[in-house]
Amino acid sequence: ILNVEQSPQSLHVQEGDSTNFTCSFPSSNFYALHWYRWETAKSPEALFVMTLNGDEKKKGRISATLNTKEGYSYLYIKGSQPEDSATYLCACHLNTDKLIFGTGTRLQVFP
Amino acid sequence: EAGVVQSPRYKIIEKKQPVAFWCNPISGHNTLYWYRQNLGQGPELLIRYENEEAVDDSQLPKDRFSAERLKGVDSTLKIQPAELGDSAVYLCASSLKDRGLRFGPGTRLTVL
Repeated sequence: ILNVEQSPQSLHVQEGDSTNFTCSFPSSNFYALHWYRWETAKSPEALFVMTLNGDEKKKGRISATLNTKEGYSYLYIKGSQPEDSATYLCACHLNTDKLIFGTGTRLQVFP
Repeated sequence: EAGVVQSPRYKIIEKKQPVAFWCNPISGHNTLYWYRQNLGQGPELLIRYENEEAVDDSQLPKDRFSAERLKGVDSTLKIQPAELGDSAVYLCASSLKDRGLRFGPGTRLTVL
């Protein structure tokens, strides 16, 4: 069974707090790890695609790391803002061409 | 660059009725995906096209679901007849090979 798991399921933080969440995935047949940000009533937006063990990507206040040997990725948000409120999805792209999504972490940032 | 277009955005139907969703991918993207996202779950692949060929439809419930991608561009996904459990968000996405997916806004289906 190939599962991609994300934790926590939901998160409520105060504006200005930094936060992070986890995506764990099967390390065998790994090809790439994707992070998406999905705001309500909008399209999921691609944040990062990472392929190499030890990869670190950054986009403004959001960054992500990848550990393919142990099968996990962290997403960090520094100084959370209300506009960061969204569901953050990770998806593991296996070399069988399958893209398996996690259930997402729902982030709510309160002003 | 125009994004992935889906219509309708919302659809409410009674059970046993048919319903169809339409997707126009990003120009030049040869790969097209239909995903279904049930409440509280991650998106699950229903079908993936490479140009006009369905290369992965293993998760498509073929007794009631059908899809087509004529000419390798637009695609339609149909459910006939719809059941209560089909209520979900249906997402279309497209990509160039080996690149990240670009999603449409989805169609939220409610079956009463």
